[in-house]
Amino acid sequence: AQRVTQPEKLLSVFKGAPVELKCNYSYSGSPELFWYVQYSRQRLQLLLRHISRESIKGFTADLNKGETSFHLKKPFAQEEDSAMYYCALRQNTGFQKLVFGTGTRLLVSP
Amino acid sequence: GAVVSQHPSWVICKSGTSVKIECRSLDFQATTMFWYRQFPKQSLMLMATSNEGSKATYEQGVEKDKFLINHASLTLSTLTVTSAHPEDSSFYICSAGTDNSPLHFGNGTRLTVT
Repeated sequence: AQRVTQPEKLLSVFKGAPVELKCNYSYSGSPELFWYVQYSRQRLQLLLRHISRESIKGFTADLNKGETSFHLKKPFAQEEDSAMYYCALRQNTGFQKLVFGTGTRLLVSP
Repeated sequence: GAVVSQHPSWVICKSGTSVKIECRSLDFQATTMFWYRQFPKQSLMLMATSNEGSKATYEQGVEKDKFLINHASLTLSTLTVTSAHPEDSSFYICSAGTDNSPLHFGNGTRLTVT
């Protein structure tokens, strides 16, 4: 069965500090991994997908198949990064549903 | 970018009544739409997968007779909460996409059953 684990419910850092939001997954095949962000009172938005290998708003995430992880990183956190972050997994065999982790709330203090 | 519109944004209804929530893809045709439920401070839980022109696929534990889903066109799916009770109060979110594209999410509907 597919499972996504985000061990931290809350991550609190100061502005300018590095950030790493952890995500581990379990899936027997080759998954597609995503990070979604939900700012206060806004809809869920796609932040990153691993196949794009791009950096959005300074965030990057590398898929580590050996450790089955897809941690989200940013070298210098900004206050506007405060939001809920969800890691999600999708099977890569056609169009399939997303399985979400429980989310991590990132709080960046001035 | 692709936009998914959800209506209404919030609704209050009396116990025992039914409520319909609409999910529209505004600038693309969505072969599949998904309905999620989100409780406060919790993650999104998939309720059902809605395929255009066919019956929805419900996740384990979701009552299909209570949460009626209709996906009549490639741009519209509806979720009807029938005979709503206070425990159905929640945040309902739809998402839509096409084959191999990332899912786009609606703004959500907050349902309060009194």
